Order: sequence, then structure tokens, then C-alpha cells
Amino acid sequence: SFILTQTPSVSVAPGTTARITCGEDSIGTKSVHWYQHKPGQAPILVIYSDVDRPSGIPERFSGSKSGNTATLTISRVEAGDEADYYCQVCDDSRTHVVFGGGTKLTVL
Amino acid sequence: QVRLVASGGGVVQPGRSLRLSCAASGFSFYRHGMHWVRQAPGKGLEWLTFLSENGKTQYYADSLEGRFIASRDNSWKIVYLQMNSLRVDDTAVYFCAKDSSPRGPTYLESWGAQGTLVAVSS
Repeated sequence: SFILTQTPSVSVAPGTTARITCGEDSIGTKSVHWYQHKPGQAPILVIYSDVDRPSGIPERFSGSKSGNTATLTISRVEAGDEADYYCQVCDDSRTHVVFGGGTKLTVL
Repeated sequence: QVRLVASGGGVVQPGRSLRLSCAASGFSFYRHGMHWVRQAPGKGLEWLTFLSENGKTQYYADSLEGRFIASRDNSWKIVYLQMNSLRVDDTAVYFCAKDSSPRGPTYLESWGAQGTLVAVSS
């Protein structure tokens, strides 16, 4: 198995840009998906297949990937974006799902 | 509108069994694989199992050591998680989620609201 590495916490001011990263040596060959999870609520898919945004997700949310790192970028951060964010991939055999450890986004 | 409602959680003693259910509506249930994911107190999301659209293909996290078994009833649009030999570290909120694909895990496009809490304690 492998491990997706996420920075435990990121803090930004409202109106600025938050970047949440997910690292793994072979991530360049995998599709990366991102979830937003607020306490007491169901997680929500915000980015799938590296860069695609589900309907209903604001354009402020975008995904990218370069080298060994995938990045979730949240532009013009709002107080309501405060949540835990998780990256996710499937292993090469597509028999296991792996989540990153999560990043807590704090809006100052 | 996709709706997933997990139930069956509760307080259980170590070594006992519990069966969780997840009732689905608002989409073509038989066309989608389903997952169970849990979150222990203060921890992150942990994937547990994927079940293909017809239930014939099942994948499990290695950490479960064969103690959990997933199944589904497409007639009733319910997916189950039979949890055996429960341990204290199985204490968590359990979520069910819908995969975008029928046969192999891809991404979890919809999740059940809130999940169901399982507390394993003597």
C-alpha cells in the first residue's frame, strides 16, 4: 500500500487563496479526487479526476497536479470553506481506495 | 436527488457483532458500486470496502483482517456491512457512499449524511 501525504493544517485570511497539497511518488499516474468534510456532515466531492468539478461546486475550487504532488486550490476563500479536506486515489490494481490524512483549513 | 441513509449503529461490547444498513434512493442503485468509509474520533477518513453493482465483487481494506463483510440487496436498494469480532478501535462514525462507476472503485460522488455511530466498549 502507499501513503498520501497532506499537510495537517493550512490557515488563510478571507478573500485570499488556499492551496492544499497531496503528495505521493506515483501520484502522477493516478487520478486524484478531493473531498470537503465539515463536522457532523457528510463529506462532499469537490474535485474529481485531478481537475474536474462536480455540478454545484463553485468555480473557486480547482485541482491540479505536477510531479509528485496534487493540489487543491480554493480562490477567494470564504468563512464557509473552513473544513477538513482529503485527497483520494485508487491503487494500481483498483482494488483499494486510499485517503490522505486530511488537511484542516482554517479561515482566519 | 441522491439520498443515502446509514443506520444500525450503537453501543456494542468488544467481540460482538453488528450489522449496518444504508438505504439508497434518488438514483439507479443497481448501476453503481458502493463504499463504506469510517472516521474514528479525532482521526481522518478510512476506506473500508467497495461492493460492485451486483455485489459479486468486493474489496476490503487490509486492516479489517476479514472481520467485515459487505453485501447489497438491489431489490430493496440497501447495502449492508456485517461487522464481526468488533474491537475498541472500530469505534467510529460509519458512512456509506456511492461510487461513480458500477464495477471498480473510482471516486465517491455522493455520501450519506451524518453516518451512523458505532461505539465499541465494555
